[in-house]
Amino acid sequence: RKEVEQDPGPFNVPEGATVAFNCTYSNSASQSFFWYRQDCRKEPKLLMSVYSSGNEDGRFTAQLNRASQYISLLIRDSKLSDSATYLCVVNRGSWGKLQFGAGTQVVVTP
Amino acid sequence: EADIYQTPRYLVIGTGKKITLECSQTMGHDKMYWYQQDPGMELHLIHYSYGVNSTEKGDLSSESTVSRIRTEHFPLTLESARPSHTSQYLCASSESSRGSYEQYFGPGTRLTVT
Repeated sequence: RKEVEQDPGPFNVPEGATVAFNCTYSNSASQSFFWYRQDCRKEPKLLMSVYSSGNEDGRFTAQLNRASQYISLLIRDSKLSDSATYLCVVNRGSWGKLQFGAGTQVVVTP
Repeated sequence: EADIYQTPRYLVIGTGKKITLECSQTMGHDKMYWYQQDPGMELHLIHYSYGVNSTEKGDLSSESTVSRIRTEHFPLTLESARPSHTSQYLCASSESSRGSYEQYFGPGTRLTVT
């Protein structure tokens, strides 16, 4: 079983719609969680950290469910520029290494 | 925007050549990492560094080597390039003193070995 599992998609979303997707992680000791965004053939960029109480950054909302060991990302009012692969990322131990999921592809269509 | 740089951005080289991929960051981060990513696939950690003179191998076995003589510089070397080394190589850094783990990536080097 992979440490971080994501639905690869693609999620085809009409512009203006809402899309949500999850990832699951296997290490119950993980303490830090992130969503990164990666555009085609580009480097991953930090989208947002995920806090226990859930957090929002503009149109993006992240939730953490420790009991079920999953993290979610919701994108409201989708823009064409939101088309990308979204990577779920979890820390591995206390050193600082991160485990990256394989990503969920989102395609926003006009 | 993160201040982390990689050169070259693209490299096409013949089999057997020695190559060094450069990575530098100006943020004073103590930890640095090298990842390998094939198109459409996930990132795999190949090397990391706690700080100066500290390097460790990552999860994915790699024939490359790294060095960390200065905080800001973390070059990756392949002594003899092979077609199987064709991939994208991403360098990242993080700051441990803040207690968080987010990593910031350079733009990557896309390596093609012919």
